[in-house]
Amino acid sequence: GAVVSQHPSWVICKSGTSVKIECRSLDFQATTMFWYRQFPKQSLMLMATSNEGSKATYEQGVEKDKFLINHASLTLSTLTVTSAHPEDSSFYICSASAQISGNTIYFGEGSWLTVV
Amino acid sequence: QKEVEQDPGPLSVPEGAIVSLNCTYSNSAFQYFMWYRQYSRKGPELLMYTYSSGNKEDGRFTAQVDKSSKYISLFIRDSQPSDSATYLCAMSLGVSTSYGKLTFGQGTILTVHP
Repeated sequence: GAVVSQHPSWVICKSGTSVKIECRSLDFQATTMFWYRQFPKQSLMLMATSNEGSKATYEQGVEKDKFLINHASLTLSTLTVTSAHPEDSSFYICSASAQISGNTIYFGEGSWLTVV
Repeated sequence: QKEVEQDPGPLSVPEGAIVSLNCTYSNSAFQYFMWYRQYSRKGPELLMYTYSSGNKEDGRFTAQVDKSSKYISLFIRDSQPSDSATYLCAMSLGVSTSYGKLTFGQGTILTVHP
């Protein structure tokens, strides 16, 4: 079946630095990918829609200058958390829609970010 | 009011029990309904995916959708300890690129004890 891979699976960074998280569709092309954030014991909240070759669409309340999204190819989207602060510590998950599987939506394994 | 309401539980059942998980929603424009299972510190895993009202069965899992009541359910038969996880309902408007834009319920924590 379709697989979405995220890297790194966990990362610790210092406050004020930037962190990049990659999301790859391994065996299908994804023109659209989605980035979610999940705080402990809470549900997934959509942050932005990543469109291949164009600007991402951000949800209300999500700072586009802080969470930079790049979707440079049909199999790769990246999320960069710029000038990270402890409150940005969270579980970041991407998803992609696989038309080859009847538009099933697959999620990556997620990336744990801890900002110290 | 949240768009999707889901009782967070926790829900604890003995092995072999039938588990019923539910979500209600307020936006009648939702067209696609999914159930995901999420183990601790992992990404969500798709269990069931339905479009229309009615029942859909896959092994021990049955998904029900009642669009008139804005209510969806997931039933797990013969529950196993390995079913212990957080179960998330999710919904989509299903329009073009918004198809993959999911609105999630809070998730129900399920524990199946031997």
